[in-house]
Amino acid sequence: QVQLLQSGAEVKKPGASVRLSCKASGYTFRSYSMHWVRQAPAQGLEWMAIINPSDGSASIAQQFQGRVTMTRDTSTSTVYMEVSSLRSEDTALYYCARDSWNTGYFDYWGQGTLVTVSS
Amino acid sequence: DVQMTQSPSTLSASVGDRVTITCRASQSISSWLAWYQQKPGKAPNLLIYRASTLQSGVPTRFSGSGSGTEFTLTISSLQPHDFATYYCQQYNSYSRTFGQGTKVEI
Repeated sequence: QVQLLQSGAEVKKPGASVRLSCKASGYTFRSYSMHWVRQAPAQGLEWMAIINPSDGSASIAQQFQGRVTMTRDTSTSTVYMEVSSLRSEDTALYYCARDSWNTGYFDYWGQGTLVTVSS
Repeated sequence: DVQMTQSPSTLSASVGDRVTITCRASQSISSWLAWYQQKPGKAPNLLIYRASTLQSGVPTRFSGSGSGTEFTLTISSLQPHDFATYYCQQYNSYSRTFGQGTKVEI
């Protein structure tokens, strides 16, 4: 069965960087794009970025460009997202989500990684 | 970016009620719309895609309709498990966007 297993919670100081991981299993990793979506406490969902695991190409939402880097490791079926220059507003639950048949909606989600940015 | 606006933000209902949530897009997105259900402490769960196609395993009391800029999610008879927050999401443009959510509460 399809599973997306995300890395554990992180606590970071303002200005630091954080690298999140999402390990996929149960399907052909290269065949489906992966997205990152975040949710601030008691807030809605915000799309951040997408990566094509086949060639590593990525697209990042405008508000995150310059601060977000997406990579993948096909040998371990893992995608990574690094967010730099963290600020308190980046405190959120970060989800990876598989793109269903590369159409644009999300059929499987990871369990989420809580990132807390605090001095 | 395409802006998505849901209404209402909160909806009070009872078990057995028929519930309708509306989602409006700032420009036409054809039928490239999905609906998700999210319960507290859990990741969102896909309910409907392409505006009206029910995801496998989702109960048939859920239905979606609409195209262009106006869409609806209907729950025909609200069940206790359905009290949750619902989000619409457009995938017409590469930059996906979500509505702000509709909380369905007792």
